[in-house]
Parts: sequence; structure tokens; C-alpha cells
Amino acid sequence: SAVISQKPSRDICQRGTSLTIQCQVDSQVTMMFWYRQQPGQSLTLIATANQGSEATYESGFVIDKFPISRPNLTFSTLTVSNMSPEDSSIYLCSGFFDSSKNIQYFGAGTRLSVL
Amino acid sequence: AQSVTQPDIHITVSEGASLELRCNYSYGATPYLFWYVQSPGQGLQLLLKYFSGDTLVQGIKGFEAEFKRSQSSFNLRKPSVHWSDAAEYFCAVQTGANNLFFGTGTRLTVIP
Repeated sequence: SAVISQKPSRDICQRGTSLTIQCQVDSQVTMMFWYRQQPGQSLTLIATANQGSEATYESGFVIDKFPISRPNLTFSTLTVSNMSPEDSSIYLCSGFFDSSKNIQYFGAGTRLSVL
Repeated sequence: AQSVTQPDIHITVSEGASLELRCNYSYGATPYLFWYVQSPGQGLQLLLKYFSGDTLVQGIKGFEAEFKRSQSSFNLRKPSVHWSDAAEYFCAVQTGANNLFFGTGTRLTVIP
């Protein structure tokens, strides 16, 4: 299986600030995704991170709030902007790897608390 | 539209007992189905998957799942639960756009 590393693993932030989460994979991926898991809830897809172009956002998520970059095939960032307590969640990145086909592997997640 | 239902929010079983976690899906095409497990403070780990073929699939850690098209179900089973199986279990369906849709999860508690 592939290795997906996220950092930070957790953070506590103040309202109104922004946090950038990094996702690094150990081999090239065809697709990368960002998910949000709110407390006690399931995972919801935020967006598909596209290499070299704008991310594709799901309904309810916008680029101004969750800007995403993917400068190459092994790295992506998600920024949570102008945070409020409602943004307190676990944020996970995932990827499809060519060798596995149709299987998404997940990072360990970033636990964000906003005060 | 696709959806995944896990009707059991929380299940408690004794160590050594058998386990079945229920999952029902709604999807217009042939589904790709998955079970993931999330241990406390951890990310998601893939337990098993169903793409096609044999409807009984084997996964890691002694888990298996059976795809029943007529019931739109993909229930997860384990004949003998270990204390280390205590975790959150998520069923998911993948659409043609490679998006994963997750159920709300079932939290498993294992008692000695």
C-alpha cells in the first residue's frame, strides 16, 4: 500500500486565522482528494486536487474558504481560511495510485480545533 | 443519487463473539464497495473491497463481506472479534467519477 503523510497532525487555532495542511505521498498519484470529518460525523469530500490547475470543489465548498494547491503529482496543500469554531474537524487527504487502481488510500488526518 | 446507510450507530460485542456490521447502498450503476476502519486518532485503513466477481470478499484482519445485489447490501462480518477490533467502521461506495461516498459509520465496542 501507499504511504500518505499529513502535517500537522493536529493544531489549535484562533478564530479568524488560516491554517495550511500539507499532504505528501511516497509515489505518484493519479488523483488526490481532500475530505472533512466533522465531530461524530462521516467523511465528506471537499474537493479533488488537480495537478497544475484549479481544484474541483463539491457542493457546499468554495475556493475562497478552502484554497487547494497541487504543484506536482506527490504533494498537495489545503488551506482552511478565516477559521471559525465550525471548522473544527479532521481533514484527510487521499489518493489513487496507479498500481492499486480504484482504491483510495488515506493519510492519518489533521485534527483541527478552532477556538 | 448515491448514498450509503449504516443503520447501526454503535454496536457492543463480547470478545470472541461474532460480528456483523450492516451496510446498504443506493447507486444506479454497478457499485464499487469498500469497508474502511478508523482506529482512535488514526486515519482510514482499507479492510476490503468489492469490484466484481465473487460476491464474498476477504479482507485483512480476518474480516469478510458479502455483496448482495438484490438487497443492495454489503455487510461486514468477522467470526471472532478481538479487543483490538474496537474502532469506527465506514462503508463506502465509489462512483464513476472516482468519488467515495461514505456511510455515517458504526462504532464498535468490544468488552472482555
